[in-house]
Parts: sequence; structure tokens; C-alpha cells
Amino acid sequence: GAVVSQHPSRVICKSGTSVKIECRSLDFQATTMFWYRQFPKKSLMLMATSNEGSKATYEQGVEKDKFLINHASLTLSTLTVTSAHPEDSSFYICSAEDRAGYTFGSGTRLTVV
Amino acid sequence: DAKTTQPNSMESNEEEPVHLPCNHSTISGTDYIHWYRQLPSQGPEYVIHGLTSNVNNRMASLAIAEDRKSSTLILHRATLRDAAVYYCIPGGWGNKLVFGAGTILRVKS
Repeated sequence: GAVVSQHPSRVICKSGTSVKIECRSLDFQATTMFWYRQFPKKSLMLMATSNEGSKATYEQGVEKDKFLINHASLTLSTLTVTSAHPEDSSFYICSAEDRAGYTFGSGTRLTVV
Repeated sequence: DAKTTQPNSMESNEEEPVHLPCNHSTISGTDYIHWYRQLPSQGPEYVIHGLTSNVNNRMASLAIAEDRKSSTLILHRATLRDAAVYYCIPGGWGNKLVFGAGTILRVKS
């Protein structure tokens, strides 16, 4: 089946620095990818829809200048958390649409110290 | 986005069937009903989806009410590996998936 690879699986960064998370579709092309964040014991919250070759569409309340999304190819979308702060610590998950539905990455645990 | 109502949690014994209900009374006529599950610290995993007819696959069965305002995910023989949060998500094909709170399924050995 379709596979979505997310990297890194865990990252710790200092407050004020930026962190990039990669999401790759390994065996299919994904014109559309989705980024979610999840706090402990909470459900997934959709942050944005990433469209290949065009600007991402952000959900209400999500700061587009803080969460930069780039979908430069049909197999790669990146999420950059800029000027990270401890409140950005969360579990970030990407998803890609394939022919059979939606496949999710294994998630990235971001800890900002 | 259609709103969903699922039990906060359910418990099952190993090797027994589990019926996970979901109400989605505001579902639109073109929305599919997607079911995903999530184990701790992992991304969601596809379980099953359907539109109008009941569906079966190797993981589960999906029973959809005739008026489509509710559905039930059926795990025929629960195992410890089925313990997870189960999400019922109505949505159009190709549209974003908006997750609700889901149902925490606990399986007792």
C-alpha cells in the first residue's frame, strides 16, 4: 500500500530556532498533502492543506508566517516551524491523498526547550 | 464539515466482537464515511470507508444506516492490537479530513 515517510520522528530544539519537518510520499505522487498537530490526549487538529506548486491553505487561527509550508514536488512537502517556542511543542503529523484514500505519516514529536 | 458524535470510550474482551457507533446526522449526500484508528505516538491508520452500502475488508466491517446519519464499525474479533482511538470522519473524497474526538477502545485479555 501507499507509504508516507515523515522525518524526523523526534526533534528537540532551542526556543527561537526554526525546525523543518519533511513529509514524503514514497510510492505515489501526492498533489495534496495535509498537516496536523496533536497535543497530548487530544485529537488531531488540521493546520493546513499543502498543494503542489501553489500556496498552502491554512485553517483559521493558524499563523502562516510561523508555520511555513512548501510543497515543491509531487512527493515532498515540508513544514517549517519558525522561531519555535515551548508552546509549539506538539506531535506533528502529515497526510497525503492517494488513489485509495489518505495515508498518514508516523508523526514528528517536537519539543522546544 | 459534518459533526460527529462517538462514545468517549468503550471496552471489549479479547476475541469478542466490538461495535463502535458514530452519529453523523449532518452528513451531506456526497460525503463518504471514513474510519481511521490511531495508536499512541503514531499517525492514524486507515480502517475502512463507505458511502451507502455496507463494506467489509480484512480489518473490519462498516454498517451504514439507510438514512446515512449513523454508522457502526465492527471489529469481528478484537485483539489487544486493536486497542486504539477510533475516529469516524465524514468527508468528501479528495477533501480534507477533520478529526473529532474519537472513541478510545480498550481491549481486555
